[in-house]
Amino acid sequence: DAEITQSPRHKITETGRQVTLACHQTWNHNNMFWYRQDLGHGLRLIHYSYGVQDTNKGEVSDGYSVSRSNTEDLPLTLESAASSQTSVYFCASSESPGSTEAFFGQGTRLTVV
Amino acid sequence: AQTVTQSQPEMSVQEAETVTLSCTYDTSENNYYLFWYKQPPSRQMILVIRQEAYKQQNATENRFSVNFQKAAKSFSLKISDSQLGDTAMYFCAFMDNNAGNMLTFGGGTRLMVKP
Repeated sequence: DAEITQSPRHKITETGRQVTLACHQTWNHNNMFWYRQDLGHGLRLIHYSYGVQDTNKGEVSDGYSVSRSNTEDLPLTLESAASSQTSVYFCASSESPGSTEAFFGQGTRLTVV
Repeated sequence: AQTVTQSQPEMSVQEAETVTLSCTYDTSENNYYLFWYKQPPSRQMILVIRQEAYKQQNATENRFSVNFQKAAKSFSLKISDSQLGDTAMYFCAFMDNNAGNMLTFGGGTRLMVKP
């Protein structure tokens, strides 16, 4: 069955370190998204991509970057981790601009100490 | 930019009873979708129900139904015959059909179903 997987599920890192969270989907979806979940804020969009070599900034993109070298993967990089980036991160994918169904990964809980 | 507001941070309901979760949104668009997602303790995001803005009929999915009031920009979720497995965070979300597939979420409502 097709799926979307995130790794790791949990990570603890130190302030100032570079961290990369992986997202891999086997749906062959063009659209991929990264959100962060914080209490009281729901999920907020960090970055998104509509296809290979396409990346766009979302609402809370400062301190994060993404790259899309193939259809299946959209890794999220924290260039220099800060305590404010302690959060739960979700990756999602959807088929096309007309699709309304988004499929979510299981989330990555990141703690920056 | 769109905003989605859920004014009830926490709610509780007795098993088998009915509960309504509130959601309001703000947009100047006409072509959009609204969603309710459920997030149980496993953290998985599960789509509960979807409403297309151009459809006047309220969406229903088994025990879940919505009350969509387009003019009032209100989109509430009614859960009938509540079950213990309904205990979860519930998120209301908005998608502008003309601006890609990104979702704008409300802050969430934590629902506890009591036995």
